[in-house]
Amino acid sequence: EAGVVQSPRYKIIEKKQPVAFWCNPISGHNTLYWYLQNLGQGPELLIRYENEEAVDDSQLPKDRFSAERLKGVDSTLKIQPAELGDSAVYLCASSSSFKPYEQYFGPGTRLTVT
Amino acid sequence: GNSVTQMEGPVTLSEEAFLTINCTYTATGYPSLFWYVQYPGEGLQLLLKATKADDKGSNKGFEATYRKETTSFHLEKGSVQVSDSAVYFCALSEGAGGTSYGKLTFGQGTILTVHP
Repeated sequence: EAGVVQSPRYKIIEKKQPVAFWCNPISGHNTLYWYLQNLGQGPELLIRYENEEAVDDSQLPKDRFSAERLKGVDSTLKIQPAELGDSAVYLCASSSSFKPYEQYFGPGTRLTVT
Repeated sequence: GNSVTQMEGPVTLSEEAFLTINCTYTATGYPSLFWYVQYPGEGLQLLLKATKADDKGSNKGFEATYRKETTSFHLEKGSVQVSDSAVYFCALSEGAGGTSYGKLTFGQGTILTVHP
């Protein structure tokens, strides 16, 4: 069974540029999460989807971050414009609706903003 | 709000040594507790879990007991191997019925390095 797929694995951009990250969850997992992980810290939830619906986006900085999961499968997280402080690892995870705490994580996208 | 605190790292051990990584938490209600592990170059993986007080989670020789009286969930292994070198994260989730059921709150992670 394929795991959670994320791309790209690494991204370097200049500040004020836009950037997008893509995630494909495990087949059959209705719940999808985007996390932010700063260096030396644990992941912090940005947004959680149940199928197409964003059920928890309270931690998403909506002035520059946006996300979508149009068909309830794969998802895209976008930052526009990027700031130096956005340099971090962006993790995607998925889970079954019946076991939301057993989350399966992708390898992450390491973003560097210069 | 909910929070998780892990012992300061990194931790460096010799192969076959005993491992303890401390984890304490603050939460309302009856959270579920987890240990996740991140091997180099890989995504986080669920290592073990405990969903109620006094439960013991175990996997791959690792164990952790849910201690409600001390709000702790310390990770232990009797004899570590080089292949256990990784970053370990303690986490909690509100129980079913909570407004944030399924939302994981992570500690800061502890880097473990095991030498031959």
